[in-house]
Amino acid sequence: SAVISQKPSRDICQRGTSLTIQCQVDSQVTMMFWYRQQPGQSLTLIATANQGSEATYESGFVIDKFPISRPNLTFSTLTVSNMSPEDSSIYLCSVEGEGYGYTFGSGTRLTVV
Amino acid sequence: LAKTTQPISMDSYEGQEVNITCSHNNIATNDYITWYQQFPSQGPRFIIQGYKTKVTNEVASLFIPADRKSSTLSLPRVSLSDTAVYYCLVGRGGADGLTFGKGTHLIIQP
Repeated sequence: SAVISQKPSRDICQRGTSLTIQCQVDSQVTMMFWYRQQPGQSLTLIATANQGSEATYESGFVIDKFPISRPNLTFSTLTVSNMSPEDSSIYLCSVEGEGYGYTFGSGTRLTVV
Repeated sequence: LAKTTQPISMDSYEGQEVNITCSHNNIATNDYITWYQQFPSQGPRFIIQGYKTKVTNEVASLFIPADRKSSTLSLPRVSLSDTAVYYCLVGRGGADGLTFGKGTHLIIQP
């Protein structure tokens, strides 16, 4: 299965600033997915990123707040913009596996102060 | 997407078999059932996937009755390291991504 590297693994940011999270996959994949996991909660899909097209956002998530780039088939970034303490979460990227299931990165733990 | 219902938490002891049941009454004909495991500070990890009857791999078994409205993940002879959150998901994958329910927090005691 694919190996995913996410950077940074964690960060503490000031409110009002932005953070860009990088996701690198060791193989070419058509779709990459971004999830948010709030403290003590389950995962929620933010958006799906296809190479060469705009990301598709789930209800409750907008491009101005979570802009996504997908410049090639192995890389994507998620930016959390104009952050507030409510954005403190773990952000994870994911790709569909070649066989069964999806593979997830280890996540970026974001704390906004 | 089909909604799933699982117990919020379960406790067991080392060496026991643990069965976690998931209800998915609205599962669609072409939906698969997939289970993931998540440890603290890690992303979810694929455990097993099935469509009907029984599937077994090196870490777990998945039992799916004929009506497919529920499924049971069976973990044989659990150890302390099996303490984690287990998620049951149904869907087709692909561009849909995954819809996670609340999961089952399994705690294994010595």
